[in-house]
Amino acid sequence: QQQVRQSPQSLTVWEGGTTVLTCSYEDSTFNYFPWYQQFPGEGPALLISILSVSDKKEDGRFTTFFNKREKKLSLHIIDSQPGDSATYFCAARRGYAQGLTFGLGTRVSVFP
Amino acid sequence: EAAVTQSPRNKVAVTGGKVTLSCNQTNNHNNMYWYRQDTGHGLRLIHYSYGAGSTEKGDIPDGYKASRPSQENFSLILELATPSQTSVYFCASGDDRGNSDYTFGSGTRLLVI
Repeated sequence: QQQVRQSPQSLTVWEGGTTVLTCSYEDSTFNYFPWYQQFPGEGPALLISILSVSDKKEDGRFTTFFNKREKKLSLHIIDSQPGDSATYFCAARRGYAQGLTFGLGTRVSVFP
Repeated sequence: EAAVTQSPRNKVAVTGGKVTLSCNQTNNHNNMYWYRQDTGHGLRLIHYSYGAGSTEKGDIPDGYKASRPSQENFSLILELATPSQTSVYFCASGDDRGNSDYTFGSGTRLLVI
């Protein structure tokens, strides 16, 4: 059973458009939610993260929203660029040093 | 520059053979992790460590052992490799802060034939 569910599996966006990825989870003990970006042949790299005490975090073109009541989070990428084409993973963690639980990822393609 | 370095980058192993994947970090992080990545399964946690001398089981530890001889080094050991262990393996390090980032290595692509 997937503890962190991510949608969609893949997504195509035109350059300049907004990319929206969503994630949901069941375990209410999760308290930290990072989003990772991964390019082919590379390891995942942290894009943005949010703690469960917050409902929004913004970093440049990237914003993550968190809804504790609905156990959902989302990642919005505005002004999407071809260089944003990658696989994006949401993840969750219960406590310090316990490792991250990952969603299955969303493959994003941004076309000029 | 702080980093996580994995070796080898690619490995072909024979079924039943022993495989050791190595990871070195210069981040001075206490915690280190081994994940495997497979299509349809995402990244799954195999073993992790809180510091030198400690190893803990993750979500899918069967068939794997881990060793943390020092703060910097964390190894993943497949004593009897099987084709089902063909995958891409990632090592990561992280510190103890609540919203700490994990730094991932570039991965080891393992093929067991």
